[in-house]
Amino acid sequence: NAGVTQTPKFQVLKTGQSMTLQCAQDMNHNSMYWYRQDPGMGLRLIYYSASEGTTDKGEVPNGYNVSRLNKREFSLRLESAAPSQTSVYFCASSEARLGPNEKLFFGSGTQLSVL
Amino acid sequence: GDSVTQMEGPVTLSEEAFLTINCTYTATGYPSLFWYVQYPGEGLQLLLKATKADDKGSNKGFEATYRKETTSFHLEKGSVQVSDSAVYFCALSKIYNQGGKLIFGQGTELSVKP
Repeated sequence: NAGVTQTPKFQVLKTGQSMTLQCAQDMNHNSMYWYRQDPGMGLRLIYYSASEGTTDKGEVPNGYNVSRLNKREFSLRLESAAPSQTSVYFCASSEARLGPNEKLFFGSGTQLSVL
Repeated sequence: GDSVTQMEGPVTLSEEAFLTINCTYTATGYPSLFWYVQYPGEGLQLLLKATKADDKGSNKGFEATYRKETTSFHLEKGSVQVSDSAVYFCALSKIYNQGGKLIFGQGTELSVKP
């Protein structure tokens, strides 16, 4: 009963390095999301994918790219990491596009530090 | 724009105390409202929701009522337990042509002492 799986759980990068955060869900959900969580700011949406083959920017997309590889997988890439991207990153999914009765299922997060 | 504001934490209570965590929102239209909970080291999970004005969401002894007149969705529990220690997030849903998303408040940390 895996749900939403994120890898890695922890990562330390140097400024300018690149990396990809992986996310996969096994619930046959159509929509997937990437959030970042910062102290005092709650969760902010980076990118989302309402369905396979589509991606859209959220509130804070600068410095990130995403790929909806297939229905199961949605990756987040940092091309040139900056200290401002130090955060906890959460992937989430929902069965359909969010509506009044849809809920999000979250992964356990990736703690990223950029030095 | 649309937003959610929660009371600042941390909130520290003794076991069996009454809990209120305030949440107010700003939004056009008629959003659905949610409370999510994040236990230490885990992702968020849905605690309860309400989809229209005057609806009451409830789960695990927690309750929240959708008050359109005061644009509020305060979380309450009559008697908290140590196991309720977590971060609580209020959120509203927003629907777009391409899909929907949740807008979260900043979170309120609750610590319950035995």
